[in-house]
Amino acid sequence: QKEVEQNSGPLSVPEGAIASLNCTYSDRGSQSFFWYRQYSGKSPELIMSIYSNGDKEDGRFTAQLNKASQYVSLLIRDSQPSDSATYLCAVNMGGYQKVTFGTGTKLQVIP
Amino acid sequence: EAQVTQNPRYLITVTGKKLTVTCSQNMNHEYMSWYRQDPGLGLRQIYYSMNVEVTDKGDVPEGYKVSRKEKRNFPLILESPSPNQTSLYFCASSKRPSESKNIQYFGAGTRLSVL
Repeated sequence: QKEVEQNSGPLSVPEGAIASLNCTYSDRGSQSFFWYRQYSGKSPELIMSIYSNGDKEDGRFTAQLNKASQYVSLLIRDSQPSDSATYLCAVNMGGYQKVTFGTGTKLQVIP
Repeated sequence: EAQVTQNPRYLITVTGKKLTVTCSQNMNHEYMSWYRQDPGLGLRQIYYSMNVEVTDKGDVPEGYKVSRKEKRNFPLILESPSPNQTSLYFCASSKRPSESKNIQYFGAGTRLSVL
């Protein structure tokens, strides 16, 4: 079983729609969760972090965490073509020094 | 400008020829890390360093070495590169993980091809 799992996609949504990206993780003791966005050929950039159960909103982005279900998701409202990228879920596992990344979900926003 | 700088950005080499990829950060971060990224496998951690002279293996350390003699620099060394080390490499840094939750800042990447 992979430690951090994501559907590789591609996930295609029309412009203006809500994109929903999901991630599950195996370590029940994990405490910190991140979403990074990576454009093709570029480096990952942090867009959201979440540490406690519930929702965290930042502009068009909402991160949702459910530790009991070991599930974290990212919602992108009013999706724009510029949101087309690969979204990486990352989890602090085994202490803060180790971050494990999922393989990423490719999002395509269709104009 | 706060940044993580990797050099070179692109490198083509031959099997067995030692190489070093440099990484430098100007944010006074304690934590630094190297990752490789391959299609379908995502980002995998090679080595990380919690501070000067403190390094530890990540998930895929075989064939790599690192050193942390200064806080700002964390070079990645391939003593005898092989074709299976052809990959996209990223260096990342963060403040002390226990305080920053290990939010990492990434360099621009080094695309390495080993022939």
